[in-house]
Amino acid sequence: RKEVEQDPGPFNVPEGATVAFNCTYSNSASQSFFWYRQDCRKEPKLLMSVYSSGNEDGRFTAQLNRASQYISLLIRDSKLSDSATYLCVAPNDYKLSFGAGTTVTVRA
Amino acid sequence: DTAVSQTPKYLVTQMGNDKSIKCEQNLGHDTMYWYKQDSKKFLKIMFSYNNKELIINETVPNRFSPKSPDKAHLNLHINSLELGDSAVYFCASSQEGTTDNEQFFGPGTRLTVL
Repeated sequence: RKEVEQDPGPFNVPEGATVAFNCTYSNSASQSFFWYRQDCRKEPKLLMSVYSSGNEDGRFTAQLNRASQYISLLIRDSKLSDSATYLCVAPNDYKLSFGAGTTVTVRA
Repeated sequence: DTAVSQTPKYLVTQMGNDKSIKCEQNLGHDTMYWYKQDSKKFLKIMFSYNNKELIINETVPNRFSPKSPDKAHLNLHINSLELGDSAVYFCASSQEGTTDNEQFFGPGTRLTVL
C-alpha cells in the first residue's frame, strides 16, 4: 500500500462550483498533514496545514479523519486560478510522503 | 527575492555523463532537501541535510552524491547518468528538520537523459 494515495482526477468543474477530494494515508502515527498546490511545471507550494480535526482558510477547508485515516480538501466558489494539482502530504517517520496529486481544472 | 534557487533550470545530457545541480536558499533555514519527481508525478525524498550534516539518505543509487558546503547550499552531483534519471529534481528547505514545518521548494531542474 502506498504511504499516501489520492484520486488523480481530473476534476473538471465550472467557476463557482464546490469541489472536494480525499487522500488516504497509511501511517496511523502521523500527526500533522499538509496540502500543497503545484501548478503545471512549477514547484509545490504550501496551501494549508492540517493539525487537528480540520482547518479552514477562506474558500478552502481541510478535514482530517484519523479513524479512517483520510484527509479531505474542499474548495468553495471555485476560481479559474484554483486550477492546479493538489498534493496531499503526510509525515512518515522522519520524512514527508507526498501523494501523486489530484488535478483540478476550473472552467469559465 | 528568490527564496530557494536552483541552477540549471533545464539540463539535457547524454547517458554516461556526469552532471551537477546547485541549490541555494536565503531563508536562513537549517535543513535542505533533494526530491525527485518522476513522470508519474510522485515526489520522493532523496536526501536531507541539517546544518551541513546528512540526516536522510533514502534508497538512492550511489551515483548520486549530495554535498553541502554550508547550510545555505546543497548541491547534487550525478555520475554516469542513466535514462531512468530523467525527472524533475526539486531542492527544498525548512526551518527545522522535523515533519511539522513547511518546506519551501525551488523551481526545479528538469533533467533529460538521452
